Formats: sequence, C-alpha cells, structure tokens
Amino acid sequence: FVLTQPPSVSVAPGQTATITCGATNIGGHSVHWYQQKPGQAPGLVIYNDVDRPSGIPERFSGSSSGNTASLTISRVEGGDEADYYCQVWDPGSDHRMFGGGTQLTVL
Amino acid sequence: QLVQSGGGVVHPGRSLGLSCAGSGLTDYSYQIHWVRQAPGKGLEWVAVMSSDGRNNYYADSVKGRFTISRDISRNTLYLQMNNLMGEDTGVYYCATDPGGGFMDFWGQGTVVTVSS
Repeated sequence: FVLTQPPSVSVAPGQTATITCGATNIGGHSVHWYQQKPGQAPGLVIYNDVDRPSGIPERFSGSSSGNTASLTISRVEGGDEADYYCQVWDPGSDHRMFGGGTQLTVL
Repeated sequence: QLVQSGGGVVHPGRSLGLSCAGSGLTDYSYQIHWVRQAPGKGLEWVAVMSSDGRNNYYADSVKGRFTISRDISRNTLYLQMNNLMGEDTGVYYCATDPGGGFMDFWGQGTVVTVSS
C-alpha cells in the first residue's frame, strides 16, 4: 500500500493550498494528516479524513474519496509553510503507512 | 507530554535503547508508536505496542532486530534496537494513538546515528 504525494506545492499568501495523497481505494481507509516544521516533531492537523484536533484552525480541512485524499488549507499564511504527510492504517497487518511528504512553500 | 531519552552514536552491528516516558502512558488507554525520520527524508513508521501491551507490530525493515517493551511502574516505553545498520540512522519519535490509527501526541525526538 503506497501513498503518493506531490513533493512540493507552492501558493501565495491568502490563497488556497491543496495537497493530495493518492492510493488505490484510499477512500476506503481513514486518512490522517501531519504538519512538520523544520527541527520540530510532527503534529496532527486532520484525523479520520475530515476531523480537526483541538487547536487546529478551521482553515485546515480534509476530504477523501476514491483513489485520492486531500488536505486543503484556506487563506494560507506564512506560518503554514511546512512539510505535510498523509498516513493510513492497514488493519490487516496493523501497520501504519506514511506518504512521502509534501513541502508547502508560501510565496 | 512525552519525554524521550536515549539515542546517540553507535557502530554498525551494535545495540541501542530508546525510552519514551509520560504520565498515563501505560494505563491501557493508548497504543504507542515509534516513527523515525532519516536525515532529509520523510517519516517512516517503525513499530507499535497495543494498549494492553500484548501485541506488538513492526515494520519489515526492523522486524527481528527491534523490540518494544514497557515498564508500567515507570510509565515508560522502550525501543530496543539490535544489529543496527547505517539505514537506521535518523530521528526517532514516540507517539500516542488513542485507538483510531492516528498519532495525536508526539515526543520531542531523539537522534540515532549508526556509523563506523
């Protein structure tokens, strides 16, 4: 089960960034998203496809259907510049898988 | 809050242990994961211990070499790493999983360097 993310996404401040995570029938799995800034541990921003942990701005949203899951960041700010990773759980093996990560650049 | 310790520089083929401590960490509420990140690379899931401590699962890349254990009295989890290889070099994180398959809280990370 391989999760495919674009290596990089660039967006101007105030615009919307969409980061995708592709895999066969990923819509049949719960997808989770993490943000990692340089020198820091990752942090959860979206879980179970669409849910936001406490403290995560409403600007962050998620969706998943078919072969693609997406993380959308509205009204992008400079502080959103980071690497973003998708992750799923394979209940058959109880293994977790991460996508390769997407570097979000705010122009 | 998860506080990690251990790590360091070790020669190939040697062993090293990591610790992850936190209040309530071993009270059967969480699964605990270990995740690593090679220099300049992405996240790689390494292993998980079930909330009751009875079931552990490992990535193929570490199976047979790494072992998770815990000390309930110390609220601490351990990752014992044996027969280390260069590709095991990286930052290792522990993280809690409330049961939904995702990692909601992470330790600060600890660096492991395998080099001759």
